[in-house]
Amino acid sequence: SYELTQPPSVSVSPGQTARITCSGDALPKKYAYWYQQKSGQAPVLVIYEDSKRPSGIPERFSGSSSGTMATLTISGAQVEDEADYYCYSTDSTGGVFGGGTKLTVL
Amino acid sequence: QITLKESGPTLVKPTQTLTLTCTFSGFSLSTSGVGVGWIRQPPGKALEWLALIYWNDDKRYSPSLKSRLTITKDTSKNQVVLTMTNMDPVDTATYYCALSYCSSTSCYPDIWGQGTMVTVSS
Repeated sequence: SYELTQPPSVSVSPGQTARITCSGDALPKKYAYWYQQKSGQAPVLVIYEDSKRPSGIPERFSGSSSGTMATLTISGAQVEDEADYYCYSTDSTGGVFGGGTKLTVL
Repeated sequence: QITLKESGPTLVKPTQTLTLTCTFSGFSLSTSGVGVGWIRQPPGKALEWLALIYWNDDKRYSPSLKSRLTITKDTSKNQVVLTMTNMDPVDTATYYCALSYCSSTSCYPDIWGQGTMVTVSS
């Protein structure tokens, strides 16, 4: 079955740029989506269709995709951005999530 | 305002069938391009996509769980129901439903419910 691979953890200091990657064989043909999940809360969509930002999501969140890798970039990460981040994409059978990346900002 | 809320038992016994209901407001599941999906998350683990029902009653299931899952909708009641048979302790998780938007190539969860925790134990 289709898999999306993310690094388990990323750590940055406040104000630095955090980059979280997601690799998958179908990403050249399928969009990537990104979700932020803070402790004890439901996930929130932060990027859709590779690089679009929903209303209400801060401009410091951006996304890109090239070949088999999609990247979520948080420019000037804030302490409140500390969370788990999941990429998501689709195949012919439905949806699939990556294994998640814990972002630490300290 | 769009809201979704999951409901169902908090505890089920192994081998039993789980029935979860997603009750939503603020959108219609008869609108083209709209779907409602289910996603689960075992404690401390990653999200797992389970199933999706489209506005036109088309359905998709996770290949690894397809034999155990059934998703249905009642448009008049604004509800989507997920049933999962033969429950096992490894199915212990928080179960989320989510409004999904569908393009010609993909559907993605957009707005999520708060989730409901289901424990499988004898």
